[in-house]
Amino acid sequence: DQQVKQNSPSLSVQEGRISILNCDYTNSMFDYFLWYKKYPAEGPTFLISISSIKDKNEDGRFTVFLNKSAKHLSLHIVPSQPGDSAVYFCAASRQAAGNKLTFGGGTRVLVKP
Amino acid sequence: DGGITQSPKYLFRKEGQNVTLSCEQNLNHDAMYWYRQDPGQGLRLIYYSQIVNDFQKGDIAEGYSVSREKKESFPLTVTSAQKNPTAFYLCASSMFGIMVSGGHEQFFGPGTRLTVL
Repeated sequence: DQQVKQNSPSLSVQEGRISILNCDYTNSMFDYFLWYKKYPAEGPTFLISISSIKDKNEDGRFTVFLNKSAKHLSLHIVPSQPGDSAVYFCAASRQAAGNKLTFGGGTRVLVKP
Repeated sequence: DGGITQSPKYLFRKEGQNVTLSCEQNLNHDAMYWYRQDPGQGLRLIYYSQIVNDFQKGDIAEGYSVSREKKESFPLTVTSAQKNPTAFYLCASSMFGIMVSGGHEQFFGPGTRLTVL
């Protein structure tokens, strides 16, 4: 039973354009959501997060949007750069469950020069 | 400089042998976690520990064991009971119970790739 899903396994985008990554979840008890970036054979690095009391959080080129009614979040990267080519994971947690994270399956992003 | 270290980076094991993966952090984090990643898949939680001398099973704990005798260290043992141990193993830590920069960020080590021969 996958509680966090990333339905697009891969995404290809031109340098300078917008990358939009999507994530859906089923557990309405999740109250915190995070995005991680991962290069091959390395650990994930934290990118950006959002609390369930907000619907948008922005940090430089990265913006995360949360639609609680649809149980959907998205990550926008503008403008996309070749160094953004990586696998992106969304993750969700419940404060009542401590810091346990439930991860989606990941989306591989390729930014073409 | 602070961070999480995992050793070794690559590990080979013969079938039927136990093997222990090391994870150390100097971030003064209370909580530590072990995940497994298989090719083309997301991270799955094996075990986690929110405080010294205490740990809980994650989603795929069968065939694994852990200990948390020190705050800085959370070793993972892959036993011979684990049917498919070849994978990329990731250790992470976080400030349990405290909202750091607004939430529950976990910080990851570089990973250990385990291959069973």
